Amino acid sequence: TQLLEQSPQFLSIQEGENLTVYCNSSSVFSSLQWYRQEPGEGPVLLVTVVTGGEVKKLKRLTFQFGDARKDSSLHITAAQPGDTGLYLCAGGWLRSNYKLTFGKGTLLTVNP
Amino acid sequence: SQTIHQWPATLVQPVGSPLSLECTVEGTSNPNLYWYRQAAGRGLQLLFYSVGIGQISSEVPQNLSASRPQDRQFILSSKKLLLSDSGFYLCAWGNRGQDTDTQYFGPGTRLTVL
Repeated sequence: TQLLEQSPQFLSIQEGENLTVYCNSSSVFSSLQWYRQEPGEGPVLLVTVVTGGEVKKLKRLTFQFGDARKDSSLHITAAQPGDTGLYLCAGGWLRSNYKLTFGKGTLLTVNP
Repeated sequence: SQTIHQWPATLVQPVGSPLSLECTVEGTSNPNLYWYRQAAGRGLQLLFYSVGIGQISSEVPQNLSASRPQDRQFILSSKKLLLSDSGFYLCAWGNRGQDTDTQYFGPGTRLTVL
């Protein structure tokens, strides 16, 4: 059974600070997704990474897939209150009928 | 573009009553469809997934069932709700045949069983 561990579980920072969220596993994934979820809403896809060592940027967010495709990180530069939410990582392996394994999430609060 | 709908958005039901949640997808064909439950605003638990009409795989033995009567329609049901069925239910779709596993989520249904 593939497991994904996210850290930290909770993060409270001030506006303007930088932060990094981690997603780790002992399994190799074919792809890794990052989602952001606000209370009472469904998760919204931020990025999909599929190649080991891949780096993708989305404005102030930088996503990296580990070389061995077992881990990933999300770095936010100069966090803003609008970044507040639950960040979920999810790993997929193509032989499983495209099922995803989800981490438990990182709850980020950015204080003004 | 593709869109995914869920209804109702919120539901309050007594213990022992039946349940039917509906999910529909627009703008794509032959999607994989998924039902998840999220407790306490944290991780997602996969309940059912479907790779085609009438094809349902159950991930967790429980009080719930799923059906896929049409290509882009996925229904979550229960004959008798339990208190433990309360939670946030999410439907998702994904494209078959692609080299990634990306799933796209609906807005969710908040179910409270009293």
